[in-house]
Amino acid sequence: GAVVSQHPSWVICKSGTSVKIECRSLDFQATTMFWYRQFPKQSLMLMATSNEGSKATYEQGVEKDKFLINHASLTLSTLTVTSAHPEDSSFYICSAPRDRVRNEQFFGPGTRLTVL
Amino acid sequence: QKEVEQNSGPLSVPEGAIASLNCTYSDRGSQSFFWYRQYSGKSPELIMSIYSNGDKEDGRFTAQLNKASQYVSLLIRDSQPSDSATYLCAVNMNNNNDMRFGAGTRLTVKP
Repeated sequence: GAVVSQHPSWVICKSGTSVKIECRSLDFQATTMFWYRQFPKQSLMLMATSNEGSKATYEQGVEKDKFLINHASLTLSTLTVTSAHPEDSSFYICSAPRDRVRNEQFFGPGTRLTVL
Repeated sequence: QKEVEQNSGPLSVPEGAIASLNCTYSDRGSQSFFWYRQYSGKSPELIMSIYSNGDKEDGRFTAQLNKASQYVSLLIRDSQPSDSATYLCAVNMNNNNDMRFGAGTRLTVKP
């Protein structure tokens, strides 16, 4: 299957700092990638759609100035959590569709963020 | 009405039994349907995709789709303890990569 990687796999940071998470499609190009957040024992929540070469599309209630998304190439999207607070602690997961016909989305392994 | 609905469970079956997971969706125009498995602390893993009415089998897994009833299911035959996970139903709305996920059904297979 397709491979999507994320880095880092986990990060601990102090409140007020910014954290950047990378999402890469390793064996296919992705003009679109998706960022999800998942709190413990809750379902996936779509945060935003990352579009290569254009602005991201954010879901209602997600602050675009707090969660900065950059999709600079066909294989890389980054999510920066700015001025992180303890309530931002969560499991952040990206996904990418390999082709537009089958629409199968492949998930990265996720990044566990803990804000102290 | 939620776009994709699943019974949250938990669903518990004995080892060797058939586990049946169900999902309904609201958008009648949806064309692509997926089942993901998510182990605790891990990200979702695609296990089945189905695009046309009927059954699709892959090993111990069978996906069933009924577009008229807006219903998709996943059967797991000969369930194993390693199948214990949360199963997410996903529906691609409008065929444009707009994927919507159900809340997931937690399955426990008891030895």
